[in-house]
Amino acid sequence: NAGVTQTPKFQVLKTGQSMTLQCAQDMNHEYMSWYRQDPGMGLRLIHYSVGAGITDQGEVPNGYNVSRSTTEDFPLRLLSAAPSQTSVYFCASSYAYSSGSTYEQYFGPGTRLTVT
Amino acid sequence: TQLLEQSPQFLSIQEGENLTVYCNSSSVFSSLQWYRQEPGEGPVLLVTVVTGGEVKKLKRLTFQFGDARKDSSLHITAAQPGDTGLYLCAGGDDYKLSFGAGTTVTVRA
Repeated sequence: NAGVTQTPKFQVLKTGQSMTLQCAQDMNHEYMSWYRQDPGMGLRLIHYSVGAGITDQGEVPNGYNVSRSTTEDFPLRLLSAAPSQTSVYFCASSYAYSSGSTYEQYFGPGTRLTVT
Repeated sequence: TQLLEQSPQFLSIQEGENLTVYCNSSSVFSSLQWYRQEPGEGPVLLVTVVTGGEVKKLKRLTFQFGDARKDSSLHITAAQPGDTGLYLCAGGDDYKLSFGAGTTVTVRA
């Protein structure tokens, strides 16, 4: 199992450009999420999905779009990049643990994005 | 959003010393998780605690969930340089976890 894979690992964009961060998992997990990690702020949830065809907004969704056409893939789109979106982005997948109310997250290696 | 506060923010100790990291909230969680993250990598799950007062041991790491399920601690005995990393706590009642800002632990050889 490759687990959760993300591409690219590094990316530099100019303000106003758009791009898609790719995420795939091979563990057949129902739940997938995108987080951004900024110094001193921990991980903040951008968007999440509870299954193919179902997505919803997290804590910081503005400027990002997602779709989930298959169980395996969950791409994150930056519509018009801004310097405030400079961050490290992590994709995660999870499944229900134990009684069904605990969800353990499996993270990808991250994409380091710089917007100039 | 349920807020999780971790302390201290940074911790630097000598190899062989013990350390404790804290995770506190005003909210009650059905479960709480601890992750470790190394530079350039994604967080990796260490443990999940689900019962108030629960204590779990993972080799030299001891995790405790508070009786009221609002706080947790991570204790490392005889720390080694391999324990260096960012320790994150996360809590939630469903798949939408809230993460603390993390404690950066450095163990000097």
